[in-house]
Amino acid sequence: GDSVTQMEGPVTLSEEAFLTINCTYTATGYPSLFWYVQYPGEGLQLLLKATKADDKGSNKGFEATYRKETTSFHLEKGSVQVSDSAVYFCALTGGNNRKLIWGLGTSLAVNP
Amino acid sequence: GAGVSQSPRYKVAKRGQDVALRCDPISGHVSLFWYQQALGQGPEFLTYFQNEAQLDKSGLPSDRFFAERPEGSVSTLKIQRTQQEDSAVYLCASSFSGGSETQYFGPGTRLLVL
Repeated sequence: GDSVTQMEGPVTLSEEAFLTINCTYTATGYPSLFWYVQYPGEGLQLLLKATKADDKGSNKGFEATYRKETTSFHLEKGSVQVSDSAVYFCALTGGNNRKLIWGLGTSLAVNP
Repeated sequence: GAGVSQSPRYKVAKRGQDVALRCDPISGHVSLFWYQQALGQGPEFLTYFQNEAQLDKSGLPSDRFFAERPEGSVSTLKIQRTQQEDSAVYLCASSFSGGSETQYFGPGTRLLVL
């Protein structure tokens, strides 16, 4: 079945460091790919998405490119801030299957 | 505008009790999803509604779990004879239609079964 694998955390970075959170997937057909973020004490929010191969999703300085050849959707940010501390989830949905299939989440802590 | 709301936010139940969790989706959203998130894990799909029709309930873990959306708006997830393994955060999400449309999440109901 479809699945998502993302790098384990926790990830701890200093402010202004470069961030990469790896995400790879297994899916039949052509899934849409998502990154959701969960800030402390808050609900899940969509961070960015891409619906077809080679699309780049971007928001709040974060980017991820849909790579069909490597079945990946890695999340990157050039300079993280303390306010980026949160748990990040990679997910996919595709075809007639409308449900989101999730990775385990990666906790990010950014220190000043 | 109002987002997805869920109630109660927290629920403590004794093992064997029945619980009912409510979800108010964003007005006009056709699709509604329930997910279960165990501590330290990603959400797991439970069930999906399109309007009042339950199109997919493949993720419901047992016949103790039941969901309904009788008028195509508010949804209720009911768990009968709760067990300790039911302790989790129950998330509701809605989207305008479905497919690759963005799902908007509520804050979740944290259920603790003692």
